Amino acid sequence: EAQVTQNPRYLITVTGKKLTVTCSQNMNHEYMSWYRQDPGLGLRQIYYSMNVEVTDKGDVPEGYKVSRKEKRNFPLILESPSPNQTSLYFCASRQGGQPQHFGDGTRLSIL
Amino acid sequence: GNSVTQMEGPVTLSEEAFLTINCTYTATGYPSLFWYVQYPGEGLQLLLKATKADDKGSNKGFEATYRKETTSFHLEKGSVQVSDSAVYFCALIMWNFGNEKLTFGTGTRLTIIP
Repeated sequence: EAQVTQNPRYLITVTGKKLTVTCSQNMNHEYMSWYRQDPGLGLRQIYYSMNVEVTDKGDVPEGYKVSRKEKRNFPLILESPSPNQTSLYFCASRQGGQPQHFGDGTRLSIL
Repeated sequence: GNSVTQMEGPVTLSEEAFLTINCTYTATGYPSLFWYVQYPGEGLQLLLKATKADDKGSNKGFEATYRKETTSFHLEKGSVQVSDSAVYFCALIMWNFGNEKLTFGTGTRLTIIP
């Protein structure tokens, strides 16, 4: 079954404590992307990757890092989380001119 | 830049009512248009799409027509069910062999009451 898997699904943590949200897809897609969803703002792209070792900033990259060492994985790293990064995060992947597949989301609360 | 404007919610309807959720877009060029649905506690699922002007996307009784002249892609369903309660997002993508990211509207929460 085609899947984009995110972990954890929920996390409550404190300001400044580094965290990583993992994303893995089993469809051999080249393109992967991270979005955050906030009320009244819809989804906004944080970072994207066109292929292994190729990453670039989206619309709201501040405070985030990503890496793409393998095609299937695209972790989102918050080196020093702050309360304004409390949000619902989605990973997505896509191949060619096809619509994106989304994970089930990760709800982060930064206290 | 590209943008999507969709009807503010929340929208509450009775079962079997007619649904319209408005969506208009601004883009330089000819985007592909999508409606995504987000059920409680889940990720986004593609509901329907249209890739060129006058295309009609349809799925699960929902329809939307790509109207280039009005830059619109309104979502409609003739008779809604309680199971249609969800958040609906209109989105566009420009295929440019670069960062072909989705640009989303703000989402419309739909609640159907029995």
